Amino acid sequence: QARLVQSGAEVKKPGASVKVSCKASEYRFTGFYLHWVRQAPGQGLEWMGWINPDNGDTDFAQKFQGRVAMTRDTSINTGYMELTTLTSDDTAIYYCARECGGRAFDFWGQGTMVSVSS
Amino acid sequence: DIQMTQSPSTLSASVGDRVTITCRASQRISNWLAWYQQKPGKAPKLLIYRASTLESGVPSRFSGSGSGTEFTLTISSLQPDDFATYYCQHFNTHSFGQGTKVEIK
Repeated sequence: QARLVQSGAEVKKPGASVKVSCKASEYRFTGFYLHWVRQAPGQGLEWMGWINPDNGDTDFAQKFQGRVAMTRDTSINTGYMELTTLTSDDTAIYYCARECGGRAFDFWGQGTMVSVSS
Repeated sequence: DIQMTQSPSTLSASVGDRVTITCRASQRISNWLAWYQQKPGKAPKLLIYRASTLESGVPSRFSGSGSGTEFTLTISSLQPDDFATYYCQHFNTHSFGQGTKVEIK
């Protein structure tokens, strides 16, 4: 079955950027949108945006526009989420998730903890 | 923006109980609603999509219903493995409800 494996935990200083990777396997990477969702400590889920791995199209939640980029490398079946100008409010677990058209997010990565602290 | 509101925020129940969680949308969303289960330290798991369709492999004690603005997730007989936090999601805007934590009574 499909699998998404994310990069490891990151510790960043305020003002820095972070780039998280999400490697897909056991399915056709370009056939399914890839979403990013984050979860601050003890809080709920927050949708950040998606990328269409087939053509690179993206859409972001208004809150993150101008500060987030989502890219992909189809040669290695990997998606990336980069968040810039980090603050302590960006401390969270970041998940990638596959959208199965009309069925919501059916497979999720294991999560990547990003800590922002001076 | 469409807001998704879950109730209750926390629910205390015992094994064997019938449990119902409600999700309300601020506008009509047809049946574009999904439910997820999340356990501590784990990624969310899809339970139900399109309001009432059970994801493959999910036990039949889980069911979803509703359309328009009001939706429910029901666990017919709560099992020890079901103590977790549950989230609804409007699939078109991808926004989530704030979550409902199901605790042991």
